[in-house]
Parts: sequence; C-alpha cells; structure tokens
Amino acid sequence: AQSVAQPEDQVNVAEGNPLTVKCTYSVSGNPYLFWYVQYPNRGLQFLLKYITGDNLVKGSYGFEAEFNKSQTSFHLKKPSALVSDSALYFCAVRRGNFNKFYFGSGTKLNVKP
Amino acid sequence: GAVVSQHPSWVICKSGTSVKIECRSLDFQATTMFWYRQFPKQSLMLMATSNEGSKATYEQGVEKDKFLINHASLTLSTLTVTSAHPEDSSFYICSARDSGRADTGELFFGEGSRLTVL
Repeated sequence: AQSVAQPEDQVNVAEGNPLTVKCTYSVSGNPYLFWYVQYPNRGLQFLLKYITGDNLVKGSYGFEAEFNKSQTSFHLKKPSALVSDSALYFCAVRRGNFNKFYFGSGTKLNVKP
Repeated sequence: GAVVSQHPSWVICKSGTSVKIECRSLDFQATTMFWYRQFPKQSLMLMATSNEGSKATYEQGVEKDKFLINHASLTLSTLTVTSAHPEDSSFYICSARDSGRADTGELFFGEGSRLTVL
C-alpha cells in the first residue's frame, strides 16, 4: 500500500533559523514525491517535486528537499525561515505512471518573529 | 499557466438541498480531474477520479449517489452534493493534470470550495 507519513503535526522555528519539515514514504515502484503548501481557506500550491535525477531538489520560495532512497525520506528544508512561510505543508507521493496522489497528514509550520 | 479555478469559493445551503461545485482548467486540457475533501486540520482525502466523457471512479467509502461527478468537457468537472446534510460540510478541492503535455508529474489544484450546510 502507498502511504506518506509526516511525523510532526507542528513545527515551530524562529525567523532567520533553518527549518526542516519531515516526510517519509512507502510506495512500490519508483516514487514521484511532492511538497505542497496550503494557506488558510486556500487550495494547495506546488513547491517542488522529485521525479528522477539529483537527489537535492530546489523549489519555490527558497525551499529545497532531499530524496533519500535508503531512508525513504523526502524532508523539506529552508536555510532561513520567514514569518510568511507560516502555513500548512503537505508531502505527497505518486506511484510512477499512476495518477493517484497520496497525501501526508500535513505539518503546520509556525515561524515566529 | 496551469490554473485551476473552482466556483463557488464559499457556499452556504440548507439541509436537504443540492449544491454544485465547478472545477475548470483555465489554460490547459484535463482528461482527468480529482476531487478531494479536507476536514479541519486534516489531510486531503481523495473522493473520486473524474474522467472526461465517462463515469467517475469513486474511492472506497464514498457514496456515488451523494456526490455526483460529471466531466462533460476537457476543461470542466462538476461535483454535486445531493441532499446535503450538516455532516457534508467540508472544504472540497479539485485538481487536474495537464493532459495536453508530457507528464510533468504534478497536479494543479483549485483554490477550494467551502461548503457549510445548515
């Protein structure tokens, strides 16, 4: 079965500090991995994806994520957090050519001034 | 590019009435669209896969007769919540893939529609 786990419901970080939002996955075959961000009462906005190639993926707004096959992880990172980064972050996995996305439970990121 | 529009953004209705939510791909064609439901502070639950010109594929546990999906064109899918009840109150989000291009892997999401049933 395909699944995504985000072990932290909430991550708190001070502005200017680095942030990490964790994600691990379980999928048969080659995974397509994604990070999306959601602001209150809004849809999801695409941040970045890993399909193939370099394990370190750079995305929107200074975010990046590292695909680690041995640890089946795809943690989201940013070197210096901004207050405006405060939002709900979702990790998602898609199994290769199949259409369905499976979302993690979401992690609320709070960046304090 | 790759904009998905949902309408309405907010809707309040009385119990027993039906509500239609539209999902449009504005600048691309989508043979497949997906409908998700999101409860407060929870993740997205895939309800159904909407297929242009054919019947939708529903996930286990989702009532087909309650949530009617129609995908009549390459740019429009509709979700109708029939005989709505307060427990149907939720945030409904649609998404789509650009079927006119090589698969980039990602989905494009609408802004969501918040349904409140009184």
